[in-house]
Amino acid sequence: EVHLVESGGGLVQPGGSLRLSCAASGFNFDDYAMHWVRQSPGKGLEWVSTITWKSGNIGYADSVKGRFTISRDNARDSLYLQMNSLRPEDTALYYCAKDKLGVSTIWLDSWGPGTRVTVSS
Amino acid sequence: QSVLTQPPSVSGTPGQGVIISCSGGKTNIETNNVHWYQHVPGTAPRVLIYNNGRRPSGVPDRFSGSKSGTSASLAISGLQSEDEADYYCASWDDGLNGGVFGTGTKVTVL
Repeated sequence: EVHLVESGGGLVQPGGSLRLSCAASGFNFDDYAMHWVRQSPGKGLEWVSTITWKSGNIGYADSVKGRFTISRDNARDSLYLQMNSLRPEDTALYYCAKDKLGVSTIWLDSWGPGTRVTVSS
Repeated sequence: QSVLTQPPSVSGTPGQGVIISCSGGKTNIETNNVHWYQHVPGTAPRVLIYNNGRRPSGVPDRFSGSKSGTSASLAISGLQSEDEADYYCASWDDGLNGGVFGTGTKVTVL
């Protein structure tokens, strides 16, 4: 059974940094693209970033480009999101999600429970 | 601001059918597959429809999807109370080189 568990969320001041992690199990992690998706309070789902199976292709939403960095460690079955220069509008529940394919398609067949990030002074 | 537009809400009585529309453009829906997600607040989203109209195992056949041109739709027939949730369309956008979700539709069972 596929299992995704996010960690690393918390309260951070504007301008600060956080590193989110996603531990994967139950599937061959290095065969699939992975994504981060977030939901801000009272708003809808927003795609944040993706990384293909061998990290050959990486993409970001315009709202986080230049501030967030996605990476993966296939040896550790882990996905990461380094978030710098955080803004109040980055406050959200951040989900790690598995793509159905090795390339990024946004066909997300498994999701973690999410980790909450709050950016506030 | 999403590039995929959905109605904010739809509602129906138990047993009725509802349709949720998703309007996009040439670089997303017209060119790429559309997927639909059901999100019950407090839980993780789950894929309901993939590749425009295919259902994963375990999803009731009351849910169906279709796509035409730059638009897609999700139909729910025989509404049940457990269908109350938020529904999102999603597609890859070649212009943005990224994924895009719809604005989301809240389904209420009266």
